[in-house]
Amino acid sequence: DSGVTQTPKHLITATGQRVTLRCSPRSGDLSVYWYQQSLDQGLQFLIHYYNGEERAKGNILERFSAQQFPDLHSELNLSSLELGDSALYFCASSVTSGGVDEQFFGPGTRLTVL
Amino acid sequence: AQSVTQLGSHVSVSEGALVLLRCNYSSSVPPYLFWYVQYPNQGLQLLLKYTSAATLVKGINGFEAEFKKSETSFHLTKPSAHMSDAAEYFCAVSKGDDKIIFGKGTRLHILP
Repeated sequence: DSGVTQTPKHLITATGQRVTLRCSPRSGDLSVYWYQQSLDQGLQFLIHYYNGEERAKGNILERFSAQQFPDLHSELNLSSLELGDSALYFCASSVTSGGVDEQFFGPGTRLTVL
Repeated sequence: AQSVTQLGSHVSVSEGALVLLRCNYSSSVPPYLFWYVQYPNQGLQLLLKYTSAATLVKGINGFEAEFKKSETSFHLTKPSAHMSDAAEYFCAVSKGDDKIIFGKGTRLHILP
């Protein structure tokens, strides 16, 4: 158990809909990273927040957005969903920012768009 | 821009044999390098990381990796494979700028 929790574990929805994925980092970790894992694209970095501030963006679509709240949990919002958004979404947390610390990954949320 | 290339999306070795998973990187600055492992239906877990302290890095579960600047490589090895090593392995690189770039992964199969 990494100490990172993600809810829900599974999500099935329809094209055009909007969903919110939630991540709670390990106690004391200030950084939260979001990743998308799919068979064709592999593991793609989406976005990084540190202590409530956005620090880096990767291959994140404009239909996707995220935020980190004062209690340090984070939410990833996916809107106008398409079939290609079906994937496993991971969040990870680390103590600091900079991308040099070990990242602790949650178990993931499997999103299926029908 | 940084990038990571993992040679071989699938590697099969016999139990007890040497494991060698290849990773080459490109980075405009001295990189931080990582190997992560993903067991079925789980998130990723750090095996080891290189942060310029020593070129040979020892990790968990008997794995180690050697940073070779001249070859821009960071290959992962383990002297003797165990059935429990069957998993997907990801090499990753960071410049220390809040981003970490992962390779596409190598699935390791252990043959009895």
